[in-house]
Amino acid sequence: DAGITQSPRHKVTETGTPVTLRCHQTENHRYMYWYRQDPGHGLRLIHYSYGVKDTDKGEVSDGYSVSRSKTEDFLLTLESATSSQTSVYFCAISPSHKGYGYTFGSGTRLTVV
Amino acid sequence: SQQGEEDPQALSIQEGENATMNCSYKTSINNLQWYRQNSGRGLVHLILIRSNEREKHSGRLRVTLDTSKKSSSLLITASRAADTASYFCATLNSGNTPLVFGKGTRLSVIA
Repeated sequence: DAGITQSPRHKVTETGTPVTLRCHQTENHRYMYWYRQDPGHGLRLIHYSYGVKDTDKGEVSDGYSVSRSKTEDFLLTLESATSSQTSVYFCAISPSHKGYGYTFGSGTRLTVV
Repeated sequence: SQQGEEDPQALSIQEGENATMNCSYKTSINNLQWYRQNSGRGLVHLILIRSNEREKHSGRLRVTLDTSKKSSSLLITASRAADTASYFCATLNSGNTPLVFGKGTRLSVIA
């Protein structure tokens, strides 16, 4: 999607290993979000950021950490991957908390074996 | 936990027919949004309706909002095969938390 890229697009990793997913934006939007999408659950919020170094937890934050050292990059780290973290991860951006829709990346499909 | 619940979970119609999807939610909202997701892709924002609005149009899309019933509907008129996708409602609550998504409606438009 224009202005937002996620990397990698696909990853297979072993249980217990750390994994970092990257979200990069060129829109200079203040807000960035990480969601996971699972069958039967829809999208659930993991963490979000409302500025450089400003982050907060979402509904399913256990086992995940995030960092935002620059406006354009928002990193999601699985500290020790588990099979329950097998999912599709989406990053989204927004210029403001209210009044705007989110722009989503194309997603990262993560498989933990 | 999910705020919005879409109904039906799946919908199959013929090309040219109208498709209606509903969303119910539980708490006070600032706005409600609808998104489309094609298979294997990210979500695309379709329309946003604020809590003080009752109806909005965008091309073939019509969204209504009834805050007294805590419900919204998305109508796609004269559907096309390219409208085949999953459709999600998402609510921005009156607090400061980000969008909360429902589980989606899978729409199949048969040519």
